[in-house]
Amino acid sequence: AQKVTQTQTSISVMEKTTVTMDCVYETRDSSYFLFWYKQTASGEIVFLIRQDSYKKENATEGHYSLNFQKPKSSIGLIITATQIEDSAVYFCAMREEIVGDNSKLIWGLGTSLVVNP
Amino acid sequence: GPKVLQIPSHQIIDMGQMVTLNCDPVSNHLYFYWYKQILGQQMEFLVNFYNGKVMEKSKLFKDQFSVERPDGSYFTLKIQPTALEDSAVYFCASSPSGTRHYAEQFFGPGTRLTVL
Repeated sequence: AQKVTQTQTSISVMEKTTVTMDCVYETRDSSYFLFWYKQTASGEIVFLIRQDSYKKENATEGHYSLNFQKPKSSIGLIITATQIEDSAVYFCAMREEIVGDNSKLIWGLGTSLVVNP
Repeated sequence: GPKVLQIPSHQIIDMGQMVTLNCDPVSNHLYFYWYKQILGQQMEFLVNFYNGKVMEKSKLFKDQFSVERPDGSYFTLKIQPTALEDSAVYFCASSPSGTRHYAEQFFGPGTRLTVL
């Protein structure tokens, strides 16, 4: 079965710095898709960025980027120039195929990020 | 980005009662999901729904659970009867396609269900 592991439960950083959150995954699929979502204090879940395993380039989206290390089954999230409003819980997730085109997301436990002024 | 709506935001009911959680997915999306998150714990997949059918359900999707989307209206999760362990936040999600190139799921704000 597929599995997603986030070992950092909580990170605290100063505003305007760069933070990296770790995520490792397990899969038998040769092609797979990885996602990062954040959950705000209000509970809203927001899609941030994705990495398709067949792409060698690390995905970037605004001040989010990924450090994809396929041989290590690792997909770290990097947030540059952090802002107070980046404080949230960040989830790593992996797409698992069901039948046909159907799929589900397998989630990590999340990393709580606190950005301090 | 695309918005998924959920009604109500919070529901408190007595154990044994029936509850229906409503989801208004993104209008052109075809794939629908429910996830369950117990406070402070992992988000867990419940069910995937496509073309009027349940495609897969997890072991958390007990016999007391059912889903439907009658006539393209709300996508609903019904629990009948409810149990104390059903207390959680339930998130609805939708995606335009199940295929790999459109694999992002977009989530609603969640319904916090409290079973007393």
